[in-house]
Amino acid sequence: AQKITQTQPGMFVQEKEAVTLDCTYDTSDPSYGLFWYKQPSSGEMIFLIYQGSYDQQNATEGRYSLNFQKARKSANLVISASQLGDSAMYFCAMRENHQGGSEKLVFGKGTKLTVNP
Amino acid sequence: GAGVSQTPSNKVTEKGKYVELRCDPISGHTALYWYRQSLGQGPEFLIYFQGTGAADDSGLPNDRFFAVRPEGSVSTLKIQRTERGDSAVYLCASSLTGHTQYFGPGTRLTVL
Repeated sequence: AQKITQTQPGMFVQEKEAVTLDCTYDTSDPSYGLFWYKQPSSGEMIFLIYQGSYDQQNATEGRYSLNFQKARKSANLVISASQLGDSAMYFCAMRENHQGGSEKLVFGKGTKLTVNP
Repeated sequence: GAGVSQTPSNKVTEKGKYVELRCDPISGHTALYWYRQSLGQGPEFLIYFQGTGAADDSGLPNDRFFAVRPEGSVSTLKIQRTERGDSAVYLCASSLTGHTQYFGPGTRLTVL
């Protein structure tokens, strides 16, 4: 069964510094995708970044990068140059990609990030 | 373009009542998903539609929950005989098949 573990219930970072949010996953499927979403206090889930299991390079999107370590089954999110607006809940999620399978996402419990001025 | 929309944004009902939650996906997205998010938790999968048909309904907790997508666009999640434990935020997402899911703002359901 798919499983996502986020071990940091809360994280604090100073504005303009970088922060790493941890995510480990468990799956027996060789083909899968890993996602990070941001959920501000308004409640909407905002897609940040995607990493495919066969991608050779770590994904990057602006200030977001994904530190993908396949052997360790980890997919940590790195946010560089933190901004006050980055304060939110962050969720790691996985989708198994086997043919004919469900497209459902399995989410972790999330990490609450607080950026201090 | 327009994102995923959900109505109502808030719904308060009494235990035992019937409720309907609506999701309008991004135009052209063939896949539609419903998730439920309880306080302090990540979203949990309920059901996934590919076009008009439910491709995976393994996440529906019991037979009080049902969802439809009759024309392959708008979807309605229906909950019969609501219970206090059904109180949560119900999230809808849509995507092109095999691609990133984009979420709506959610419907906060409160069962008194």
